[in-house]
Amino acid sequence: QSVLTQPPSASGTPGQRVTISCSGSSSNIGSNPVNWYQQLPGTAPKLLIYSNNQRPSGVPDRFSGSKSGTSASLAISGLQSEDEADYYCAAWDDSLNGPGVFGGGTKLTVL
Amino acid sequence: EVQLVQSGAEVKKPGESLKISCKGSGYSFTSYWIGWVRQMPGKGLEWMGTIYPGDSDTRYSPSFQGQVTISADESISTAYLQWSSLKASDIAMYYCARQGRGYSSGYSFDYWGQGTLVTVSS
Repeated sequence: QSVLTQPPSASGTPGQRVTISCSGSSSNIGSNPVNWYQQLPGTAPKLLIYSNNQRPSGVPDRFSGSKSGTSASLAISGLQSEDEADYYCAAWDDSLNGPGVFGGGTKLTVL
Repeated sequence: EVQLVQSGAEVKKPGESLKISCKGSGYSFTSYWIGWVRQMPGKGLEWMGTIYPGDSDTRYSPSFQGQVTISADESISTAYLQWSSLKASDIAMYYCARQGRGYSSGYSFDYWGQGTLVTVSS
């Protein structure tokens, strides 16, 4: 069972907007930035959103992140077929004295 | 160009030891934390631990403390993940990843290795 809680699945049709939630606690999301990773099938994860709402160079602005209290969310607008992937939230956890924690992952299906 | 290149796939027997590697290039290896992440077949990502090659400060997640050893050799810009006695439950893909510097980076993993698949079978 992961420290950060995500829905196991999400879906949408092309062009739609979907959101994926990530719930944590005061020791992780509540006091540290949240990052999001995208993992396409058979590939290594890729940084999608860092520090709650920042996009690395090259990530389309269709992807956005937000955080409030001990929860965070990833929004994908204008859904495309190539967005079908697993999405993970992550945050540093002050109670662990170093390593962070991941959410369990959300499999996004584009219908 | 920042790159993390991991060693190749391994097939080992239960009880054997193993050390896999992650070589960084294109940046100052000693100035960034390197993390190791496990992904068991069909499962999610698990943060195993992180090391700061500059002084070898190492932090382990509770689930992995005592199960693996993380180390680094700054002279060859390489981080390692090792087991003294493999178990069938160690079957997984293992990724190394560079951790961004400072609070503004979110301590995110900004660059990832390609992964090393470890198979344990008698």
